[in-house]
Amino acid sequence: LAKTTQPISMDSYEGQEVNITCSHNNIATNDYITWYQQFPSQGPRFIIQGYKTKVTNEVASLFIPADRKSSTLSLPRVSLSDTAVYYCLVGDYTGRRALTFGSGTRLQVQP
Amino acid sequence: DAGVIQSPRHEVTEMGQEVTLRCKPISGHDYLFWYRQTMMRGLELLIYFNNNVPIDDSGMPEDRFSAKMPNASFSTLKIQPSEPRDSAVYFCASSPQEDKRWHEQFFGPGTRLTVL
Repeated sequence: LAKTTQPISMDSYEGQEVNITCSHNNIATNDYITWYQQFPSQGPRFIIQGYKTKVTNEVASLFIPADRKSSTLSLPRVSLSDTAVYYCLVGDYTGRRALTFGSGTRLQVQP
Repeated sequence: DAGVIQSPRHEVTEMGQEVTLRCKPISGHDYLFWYRQTMMRGLELLIYFNNNVPIDDSGMPEDRFSAKMPNASFSTLKIQPSEPRDSAVYFCASSPQEDKRWHEQFFGPGTRLTVL
C-alpha cells in the first residue's frame, strides 16, 4: 500500500494561498491521488483527484510532478470557512483496494 | 438526490445491547463503505461493498461486528454485543463505479454511537 505523509497542521490567514504537500514515495502505476476535506462533526468531502500533471476545479488545484512521488493541494485565497482537516490518499482505480485515510493536515485559517 | 442517508443520527445504548446502524446510499452508486472515526484512531475503513457484495471486510474489528447489503439501496452495520470501546462516529459513504470515480466517495452525516 502506498503510504502518504503530510504535515500535521498548518496555519494561514484569510486571502492567502495555501499549499499542502503530500509525499507518497511508493505510489503504484495504477494509483490515483485523491484529496478530501473534513469539517468538525461532518463526514469527509471529496475535493479533487488526479493522476499526473495538474488538475483544477472550482475548489482547488492539484499539482503532481512527473515522478508522482508527491502532490500539492493548492487552495486559492482561503477564507475562515476553509478551516478543516485535509486528507491526502492514494489508491488504485481498479476497485480492488480501498483508500486508507491517514491523520490528515489540520488547516487553521485566521482572520 | 438527498445524498447518503444514515440513521439514527445519535444512538446511546448500554454495554451488551445490540446496535444496528442503517445506510441508504446515493441511487446509482455501486460502492458502499462503512467507516468508524475516533479521536484516537482516526478514520478507519471497516468494510466495503461493490454491487451489494462485500469486497474487503478486513477492517471489521471482530466477530461482534457484521454488515449486510441486501439490496442496492440499503445497508446495515450491526454490533452485537456492544462495548464501550465501540463508541465512535460511524460513517457510511457511497461512490460511483464508472470512469475511475470510485474514489469520489460521498459521505453521510454519520451516526454518533455512545455505549455506556
